[in-house]
Amino acid sequence: GENVEQHPSTLSVQEGDSAVIKCTYSDSASNYFPWYKQELGKGPQLIIDIRSNVGEKKDQRIAVTLNKTAKHFSLHITETQPEDSAVYFCAGVNQAGTALIFGKGTTLSVSS
Amino acid sequence: EAGVTQSPTHLIKTRGQQATLRCSPISGHTSVYWYQQALGLGLQFLLWYDEGEERNRGNFPPRFSGRQFPNYSSELNVNALELEDSALYLCASSWGTGGSNQPQHFGDGTRLSIL
Repeated sequence: GENVEQHPSTLSVQEGDSAVIKCTYSDSASNYFPWYKQELGKGPQLIIDIRSNVGEKKDQRIAVTLNKTAKHFSLHITETQPEDSAVYFCAGVNQAGTALIFGKGTTLSVSS
Repeated sequence: EAGVTQSPTHLIKTRGQQATLRCSPISGHTSVYWYQQALGLGLQFLLWYDEGEERNRGNFPPRFSGRQFPNYSSELNVNALELEDSALYLCASSWGTGGSNQPQHFGDGTRLSIL
């Protein structure tokens, strides 16, 4: 079945630096890849998503890139701020389109 | 627009008891998904309901069950509770067409603790 691997598990950056989180997926039929941000005591919040017919998508300081051939996608956060500190999850859809499969998460810490 | 709401926020039970968790989706969403977020195990897909029907279930035993009501709200029931059921249970909703290819929006979860 579909498997999503996420790296790194923890990431520490200085305020203003960029942060990159990478995910790989196993099912070549997957065509939808969302990213979620989860703050302490809250549920995951959808921050950006990408479909397989697009190679890159950007929303202000956040961008996602997709390489279908290599079966990996990445989240890029530029000009990081302390409020970006959270756990970030990537996900892919299983072949049947009936479930989201999540990566294990990346804890991002932005220090000022 | 109101987001996904879940109740209760916290629930404490003992082994062998039964727990009922509730979820109200975003207005207009017909699909409801349930996930378990246990410490160290990430987000695990439990169940998907759409238009009142169970459409898919994850790799969980039958004592995890649920239903979706005509107003699209949903209940998750966990019978014969075990210590390892302690986790944050998250509900998400989406537009029905397209299954998990539609963006899912999450509530803040119910923290279930088994003593």
